[in-house]
Amino acid sequence: KQEVTQIPAALSVPEGENLVLNCSFTDSAIYNLQWFRQDPGKGLTSLLLIQSSQREQTSGRLNASLDKSSGRSTLYIAASQPGDSATYLCAVNTGTASKLTFGTGTRLQVTL
Amino acid sequence: NAGVTQTPKFRILKIGQSMTLQCTQDMNHNYMYWYRQDPGMGLKLIYYSVGAGITDKGEVPNGYNVSRSTTEDFPLRLELAAPSQTSVYFCASRSGEGEQFFGPGTRLTVL
Repeated sequence: KQEVTQIPAALSVPEGENLVLNCSFTDSAIYNLQWFRQDPGKGLTSLLLIQSSQREQTSGRLNASLDKSSGRSTLYIAASQPGDSATYLCAVNTGTASKLTFGTGTRLQVTL
Repeated sequence: NAGVTQTPKFRILKIGQSMTLQCTQDMNHNYMYWYRQDPGMGLKLIYYSVGAGITDKGEVPNGYNVSRSTTEDFPLRLELAAPSQTSVYFCASRSGEGEQFFGPGTRLTVL
């Protein structure tokens, strides 16, 4: 059974800092991996989708990497801003019908 | 293009009552999903559908039912609500490239 772990569970950084969020998964036979952002009381917003054949994806200040063989993905956020404060969720698709297995998230706070 | 919409946003049920959570997507996606999110537990898949008329169970289907009569709509039915079903429910649909898009959620409390 696929298990997804995100470390750390919470992170507080000053504005402007570059930071890395980690996601690890136990079954390397994945189809893709998706990073989401969730603001308090809101739904999930898709940030990046990495297919199993890709090593990384970039969108603006966000860069996600994927190392299937080691069961790891990282989300890199450059020049963090207070507006980046949210919970970041990693989800892995390992089966048919694209069913996602989620980690429990990293709660990020960017302070002024 | 509204994406994935869900109604209601909030609902309080008494134990034993029933209700239907509505989900609609306007992106013509074949695959749709229902997840629940409990505090500190991550999201768990309840049911999913790969197209109109086809549904299947996810990880936590007990106490729920679904139907998929059209591509756009994927309602989730709770029969005989229990306190354990207090949660936030999210509906999602999947694009052809495999990206999932989520609705804003329904916050359900069963008392």
